[in-house]
Amino acid sequence: AQKITQTQPGMFVQEKEAVTLDCTYDTSDPSYGLFWYKQPSSGEMIFLIYQGSYDQQNATEGRYSLNFQKARKSANLVISASQLGDSAMYFCAMRLNQAGTALIFGKGTTLSVSS
Amino acid sequence: DAGVIQSPRHEVTEMGQEVTLRCKPISGHNSLFWYRQTMMRGLELLIYFNNNVPIDDSGMPEDRFSAKMPNASFSTLKIQPSEPRDSAVYFCASSLGRGNRPETQYFGPGTRLLVL
Repeated sequence: AQKITQTQPGMFVQEKEAVTLDCTYDTSDPSYGLFWYKQPSSGEMIFLIYQGSYDQQNATEGRYSLNFQKARKSANLVISASQLGDSAMYFCAMRLNQAGTALIFGKGTTLSVSS
Repeated sequence: DAGVIQSPRHEVTEMGQEVTLRCKPISGHNSLFWYRQTMMRGLELLIYFNNNVPIDDSGMPEDRFSAKMPNASFSTLKIQPSEPRDSAVYFCASSLGRGNRPETQYFGPGTRLLVL
């Protein structure tokens, strides 16, 4: 069975600093995708970044990058130059490479950015 | 382009009443997912559809829950009768649903349900 683990319930960072949110996953399937979503206090789920299991390079989207270490089964999210608006809950998720399969989510990490 | 649309955004009801949540996926998306989020259990998949057909409903908690997708642009999640433990945020999400590539799911704003 697939599983996502986020071990940091909360993280604190100052504006303009970088922060890494940890995510480890477990699957025996060789083909899968990893996702990060942001959930601000307003409640919506916002897609941030995607990494495929066969992708050779780490995914980047603006200030977001995914530190993908396949052998260690980790997919950490790095946010560079944190902003106050980055304060939110962040979820790591995985989906197998099969049509119509659903996301499996971790418990989430609350990020607080201070000025 | 419009994202996933959910209604109502908030629902307060009394135990025993029927609750119907509605979702309109992104146009052109063939897969639709219903999730429930609670503090205790986090985000859980309830059911998902591919091309309007339910593929996996193993996450539906009880027979009180039912979901339909009569066409490609509309889905409902019904709870009858509702109970206080059903109080949660219910999300609908959709994805392209073509091929085997893990596709990004786009979420609606959610429906906050409170059952008194």
